[in-house]
Amino acid sequence: AQSVTQPDIHITVSEGASLELRCNYSYGATPYLFWYVQSPGQGLQLLLKYFSGDTLVQGIKGFEAEFKRSQSSFNLRKPSVHWSDAAEYFCAVGGYSSASKIIFGSGTRLSIRP
Amino acid sequence: DTAVSQTPKYLVTQMGNDKSIKCEQNLGHDTMYWYKQDSKKFLKIMFSYNNKELIINETVPNRFSPKSPDKAHLNLHINSLELGDSAVYFCASSPDEENSPLHFGNGTRLTVT
Repeated sequence: AQSVTQPDIHITVSEGASLELRCNYSYGATPYLFWYVQSPGQGLQLLLKYFSGDTLVQGIKGFEAEFKRSQSSFNLRKPSVHWSDAAEYFCAVGGYSSASKIIFGSGTRLSIRP
Repeated sequence: DTAVSQTPKYLVTQMGNDKSIKCEQNLGHDTMYWYKQDSKKFLKIMFSYNNKELIINETVPNRFSPKSPDKAHLNLHINSLELGDSAVYFCASSPDEENSPLHFGNGTRLTVT
């Protein structure tokens, strides 16, 4: 069965520091992978997605993620965080078609230390 | 300009009542979804409709009944509300293509007292 694990429930980093949020997945075939961000009181916004090609994908707001098949991971990174990056981040897997479910991880809450 | 809009944003009601949440998307997408986000932020799919047809129906109590009058609308009706139904309900849509991401509404926070 497909699943997504985000091992870090809450991470705090200093403004200007680098960030890496971890995501591990379980999927029967080549997965489609996504990272979403949720600001307080808002819906989820797509940061980036991977489905084939270059394993390093660039997203919005300066985020990037790297697909590592050997480690079943799709970690999200940003070289220098801003206070506005404080939010909940969700990794997701799935989506071959509309009949497939997109499964979300449990989320990682990111706090920024001034 | 809102792509996926849900109403109401907040809904407070008593146990046993019946309530509805409405969702509309103006993106021309073929597929719409309802997700439930619990107090621990865990997101779980409830239903998915493609061109007004139900294609995903997770293990959701029969008290929850989605209705899709056309492909731009997917409403969620909940009968006999229970305390455990308190959550944030998100509507989403996507094109009917491979690797299509979801476009989410801003959520409806349902509180059952």
